[in-house]
Amino acid sequence: GAGVSQSPSNKVTEKGKDVELRCDPISGHTALYWYRQSLGQGLEFLIYFQGNSAPDKSGLPSDRFSAERTGGSVSTLTIQRTQQEDSAVYLCASSLARNTIYFGEGSWLTVV
Amino acid sequence: QQQVKQSPQSLIVQKGGIPIINCAYENTAFDYFPWYQQFPGKGPALLIAIRPDVSEKKEGRFTISFNKSAKQFSLHIMDSQPGDSATYFCAASKDPSGKFYFGSGTKLNVKP
Repeated sequence: GAGVSQSPSNKVTEKGKDVELRCDPISGHTALYWYRQSLGQGLEFLIYFQGNSAPDKSGLPSDRFSAERTGGSVSTLTIQRTQQEDSAVYLCASSLARNTIYFGEGSWLTVV
Repeated sequence: QQQVKQSPQSLIVQKGGIPIINCAYENTAFDYFPWYQQFPGKGPALLIAIRPDVSEKKEGRFTISFNKSAKQFSLHIMDSQPGDSATYFCAASKDPSGKFYFGSGTKLNVKP
């Protein structure tokens, strides 16, 4: 596609449920990033993929969070047993050359 | 420890004014410094970026000033317009990780 596509755009889930967030990067982009942005806050790094491997997953907040990327393209961020503090916008970004990353519009997650 | 510190948190200027947003970093290995602009409900979009081998870069009304010795860089918006009202994030990254460290953001309001 023309840009980074994320789905769902909005998700309301009950505490304790699992959620999956999907990111479809710009075609041909080898690097993919997940960031989290809480209301009115900055961007918190979660994980970075180069191809299908994740050389840096240092930002994942807990073992309830996991991510995978298949075929060097689509990535899924999974949050197990969601908690209210997981409520945030989850932003995906991709890049071909390191010096320019392009963000999607985010998946707005609300845990009730 | 926050790798990139950004100030001010919020800024109000009159139309035509020149808002200045400042960022400071500690890690001298950083070699790429982009600025992102984010409108409500949207993902951040790359505005302008600089590498440490130059002290200033201009693109339209946006200018980055870079002080390598002080480990600081700033964004100036010339002849600011109400349409520039957004949240601005500075960032830094270093080869080859591809990981971007973001500042906490500055919410700019340009009054008509």
